Amino acid sequence: GQSLEQPSEVTAVEGAIVQINCTYQTSGFYGLSWYQQHDGGAPTFLSYNALDGLEETGRFSSFLSRSDSYGYLLLQELQMKDSASYFCAVSSSSDSGYALNFGKGTSLLVTP
Amino acid sequence: DARVTQTPRHKVTEMGQEVTMRCQPILGHNTVFWYRQTMMQGLELLAYFRNRAPLDDSGMPKDRFSAEMPDATLATLKIQPSEPRDSAVYFCASGFGLSERGDTQYFGPGTRLTVL
Repeated sequence: GQSLEQPSEVTAVEGAIVQINCTYQTSGFYGLSWYQQHDGGAPTFLSYNALDGLEETGRFSSFLSRSDSYGYLLLQELQMKDSASYFCAVSSSSDSGYALNFGKGTSLLVTP
Repeated sequence: DARVTQTPRHKVTEMGQEVTMRCQPILGHNTVFWYRQTMMQGLELLAYFRNRAPLDDSGMPKDRFSAEMPDATLATLKIQPSEPRDSAVYFCASGFGLSERGDTQYFGPGTRLTVL
C-alpha cells in the first residue's frame, strides 16, 4: 500500500527558517510535490521533485532523497502570510496508470 | 488569468437529496481530478479523467457517487442520495498530466457541501 507521513503542526517565528519533512512508502514512485493551502482556500502548487537533490524557488526549496523515501520543504525568511497548511503528495504508478496521493498536511503557524 | 471554476461554491441540502457539483477546467488541460477534503481524512482523490475518459474512480463510493465529463469544458460530480457523512469540501483540479516537470494540478475554489 501507500503511506505518507508529515508532522501535523509546526510553529516558527517570522524571519526564521522552517523545514517540513515528508516520508513516504509507495511502489512505482514518480515524484514528490508540495502544495500550500490557506484556510478556506484551495491548494496551490509549490514544487515538484522527481530526482534527488534540492530545487529552489525563491524563499521556498524542496528536497528529495529517493533512496530514503524522504523529502522536505524548506521555507526561508518566514513571513506571516506563510501561515498555512502544507501538503506533500506522491505521484506513482497505479492500475489506472497514475496516482497522486496527498499527505494529511502540516499546519504551519508563523508568529511575530 | 486562467482558473478552474466550480459551482456552486456552497450547498446545503437534506439527506437523501441529489447533489450535482460542476467544474470547468482550464482550457487546454487534459486531466481533471475530483478530491474531497475533510478534517479527518484530509484530501482524498475521488476520480481522475484524462482526455475526458475516466481512468480511476476507485476512491469513490460507487453506489451513490458518479463522475462524468460530458465535454472538455465541463466535469460533474453527482451524489445520489446524499448522506450527512458526505459533508466536505469538494475540489476539482485540472492539469496537463505527468511530465518531466511534474504533474502540477490547478485547483478550483471548491464546493462546500453540508448535508443535514
